[in-house]
Amino acid sequence: QSALTQPASVSGSPGQSITISCDGASSDVGAFFSVSWYQQHPGEAPKLVIYDVSHRPSGISSRFSGSKSAKTASLTISGLQAEDDADYYCASYTLNNTPLFGGGTKLTVL
Amino acid sequence: QITLKESGPTLVKPTQTLTLTCTFSGFSLSTSGVGLAWIRQPPGKALEWLAIVYWDDDKRYRSSLQSRLSITKDTSRHQVVLTLTNMDPMDTATYFCARQLWSGSYPDFFDYWGQGTLVTVSS
Repeated sequence: QSALTQPASVSGSPGQSITISCDGASSDVGAFFSVSWYQQHPGEAPKLVIYDVSHRPSGISSRFSGSKSAKTASLTISGLQAEDDADYYCASYTLNNTPLFGGGTKLTVL
Repeated sequence: QITLKESGPTLVKPTQTLTLTCTFSGFSLSTSGVGLAWIRQPPGKALEWLAIVYWDDDKRYRSSLQSRLSITKDTSRHQVVLTLTNMDPMDTATYFCARQLWSGSYPDFFDYWGQGTLVTVSS
């Protein structure tokens, strides 16, 4: 089962907005609203930042937002801050009744 | 307060069997809509889901590793055990356990994660 497709890297300056895409298929991202996003700093466990495409867990900044169109989900971070420098992973439920992660995107805050 | 913690060997030899335990607190694995998954991450690489067990003891495995994986739960001890047989250097990774919640009719997001444990496969 291939991973969801994410860009290897994105970058932005403090205060700017960036968007990370997550390309899937009709059997995963295209079929469900069970799309989530995770932030991972080096040496740490992943942290949930978006679930159900666009919902933010308690305690997550409103600068994080999510959306989905057809087979592509997106994570947007507005007003970039130094602390946003991390790896980001998308995940989706699939028609195989299993979860599938993306390949990860390294966000660099310049 | 919800916590999860992985435990097990840090070094295993090729062909050996890896046994990892996830000990959790703050929730019950007998509650409807709750699952506990194992996810690994090879050094410098992406997250890779391995296996999950749900509150009703339904289990799912990564298809490419299904013949080598086993997951069991001990609800009373708040533990989930993962075994991976015939270990290979390619299995070197940080292994995480994470709670998964259902949303509506489908398994959904992983909201709490353990700190992870690095397992190295080497002779």
